[in-house]
Amino acid sequence: QVQLQESGPGLVKPSQTVSLTCTVSGGAISGGGYYWSWIRQHPGKGLEWIGYIYDSGTTYYNPSLKSRLTISVDTSKNQFSLTLSSVTAAETAMYYCARVTTRGAWRFDTWGHGTLVTVSS
Amino acid sequence: QSALTQPRSVSGSPGQSVTISCTGTSSDVGGYNYISWYQQHPGKAPKLMIFDVNKRPSGVPDRFSGSKSGKTASLTISGLQADDEADYYCCSYADNWVFGGGTKLTVL
Repeated sequence: QVQLQESGPGLVKPSQTVSLTCTVSGGAISGGGYYWSWIRQHPGKGLEWIGYIYDSGTTYYNPSLKSRLTISVDTSKNQFSLTLSSVTAAETAMYYCARVTTRGAWRFDTWGHGTLVTVSS
Repeated sequence: QSALTQPRSVSGSPGQSVTISCTGTSSDVGGYNYISWYQQHPGKAPKLMIFDVNKRPSGVPDRFSGSKSGKTASLTISGLQADDEADYYCCSYADNWVFGGGTKLTVL
């Protein structure tokens, strides 16, 4: 059973860059035809898709974040990461990583527990 | 891309059925069958309940069903149980991915 676990700094100052990592266990991050995604949830709000990466390194980003966002994968560590620059307080949110299965139909079928990022000085 | 439109809240008594709607446009819900639904209990991660409009992952009870008509998708939960009380989010492909604003289900 694949499991995902997010890790990150917790607190970031405005205008700085936040970096988060998702560690995948119970299965290889590459070779399965999966996409690996980041999704965030502002406090008391709905879900927002951030972007995802294929194990080949091909990325797809939410257009609203594209200019500040990088998603990368490290197959040797079975991890993928998010880097978001020039953050503001409005980006305080729970950040989830999730696996996207594409066989038959696309869906976010496995989620991590989330990591809270607070943007504050 | 605007969020899909869901009712803020719905409620039902144990044993009853409830339906949660998810309205989009021809560019998302109306244009693709990549519609999925997620259940989120307080403080927990979302859980996939329905995908491809009406398919259930292994382990999800058949009390949960999905459908779509035009630009509106729906999630129906029959035989309501106390543990069904949660937030529910719809999701659609739209050249990228867009979620609904979420619906709080209260089991009375």
